[in-house]
Amino acid sequence: AAGVIQSPRHLIKEKRETATLKCYPIPRHDTVYWYQQGPGQDPQFLISFYEKMQSDKGSIPDRFSAQQFSDYHSELNMSSLELGDSALYFCASSPLNLDNYGYTFGSGTRLTVV
Amino acid sequence: GDSVTQMEGPVTLSEEAFLTINCTYTATGYPSLFWYVQYPGEGLQLLLKATKADDKGSNKGFEATYRKETTSFHLEKGSVQVSDSAVYFCALSDRNQGGKLIFGQGTELSVKP
Repeated sequence: AAGVIQSPRHLIKEKRETATLKCYPIPRHDTVYWYQQGPGQDPQFLISFYEKMQSDKGSIPDRFSAQQFSDYHSELNMSSLELGDSALYFCASSPLNLDNYGYTFGSGTRLTVV
Repeated sequence: GDSVTQMEGPVTLSEEAFLTINCTYTATGYPSLFWYVQYPGEGLQLLLKATKADDKGSNKGFEATYRKETTSFHLEKGSVQVSDSAVYFCALSDRNQGGKLIFGQGTELSVKP
């Protein structure tokens, strides 16, 4: 079965550079979520999209932005990177009716800022 | 706001021991509850879920019951294996509040042979 695809798997950037993370949700899943997981931490919600519109916003820095495209894939753009941005970034997708399906997470993108 | 609290780890058990990882939640609405497992270097995998009070989620020998009266969703397994060693996250989601997952801090489980 198709899963949530994230790319790249690993990314190394220098401070003040820009990074773009991509997420391809499961077909027919209409909602995409982005989470950030620091070392030894629980995942923290960043932002979500429902039917290509931003639906909720969490603790996402102003330096970050995201969007969902017409094919439902989503991109997280991160500018002016800081050392503290080093983390595992997860994307998850879900259908509208959680009772039957629930969320599916991608394998994540590990971002290292040096 | 909504929150999830898990028992602190790490938890170290011998193979075939009984496992309980406590999870309690605070929510203003009627959330769905989840347990996720994360193996070293990997992503989050859904272990089990429950969407309403008294529902029992189960998978791979793990069980958890949604207890509204005690606002709890404790994870149990009767006989753990070395392969169960991982970090376990309890989480909740309320569709009326955007549907995002709110995680507990995670509990690391280490099972020794």
